[in-house]
Amino acid sequence: AQSVTQLGSHVSVSEGALVLLRCNYSSSVPPYLFWYVQYPNQGLQLLLKYTTGATLVKGINGFEAEFKKSETSFHLTKPSAHMSDAAEYFCAVSAGGYQKVTFGTGTKLQVIP
Amino acid sequence: GAVVSQHPSRVICKSGTSVKIECRSLDFQATTMFWYRQFPKQSLMLMATSNEGSKATYEQGVEKDKFLINHASLTLSTLTVTSAHPEDSSFYICSAHDRGHQPQHFGDGTRLSIL
Repeated sequence: AQSVTQLGSHVSVSEGALVLLRCNYSSSVPPYLFWYVQYPNQGLQLLLKYTTGATLVKGINGFEAEFKKSETSFHLTKPSAHMSDAAEYFCAVSAGGYQKVTFGTGTKLQVIP
Repeated sequence: GAVVSQHPSRVICKSGTSVKIECRSLDFQATTMFWYRQFPKQSLMLMATSNEGSKATYEQGVEKDKFLINHASLTLSTLTVTSAHPEDSSFYICSAHDRGHQPQHFGDGTRLSIL
């Protein structure tokens, strides 16, 4: 069984400020973890993924996330928010291979000028 | 890179009609595809797992007779919403595995609106 909890359905940051989107997961096996971004009326775009190896993963558009097994967390960060970062962000978990992906409920990021 | 194409991107139709959505893997073979549904301002919920050459596996609460899935080839899965009603209006997204590698590749989604 697997699940994802995203804390905060809405997050607002000022342009240039740190972005921190929280994600905690539950998995009965070593997890594969993902962050996706979705712009209005569009599909999903993969930001980054953790499968194995280095626990700090870097993704596109300056985002990164750190896998912390002891905390069962995979929080997404970006040092400086841009207006173009305003979107919905989904954390997701999978058992790997051909297994399904389970998504969190999403966090809507608002960037204030 | 690997791409999943989903068609159509948007459908508007009358209540009671059936709607077919296609999901194609363009440059890889996908023995497994997944269909998700996303209601407005909500997350993606898995509806079913589509397996090439065999019956789809549906998640609990998803009506298999209403959401018909066919995965007749290694590059194509279809989702047919039969006798669609306004409550079926949603954003439907498919995904496919390339040889079980992570992550899955997602289509761009189909916005279904039933009047």
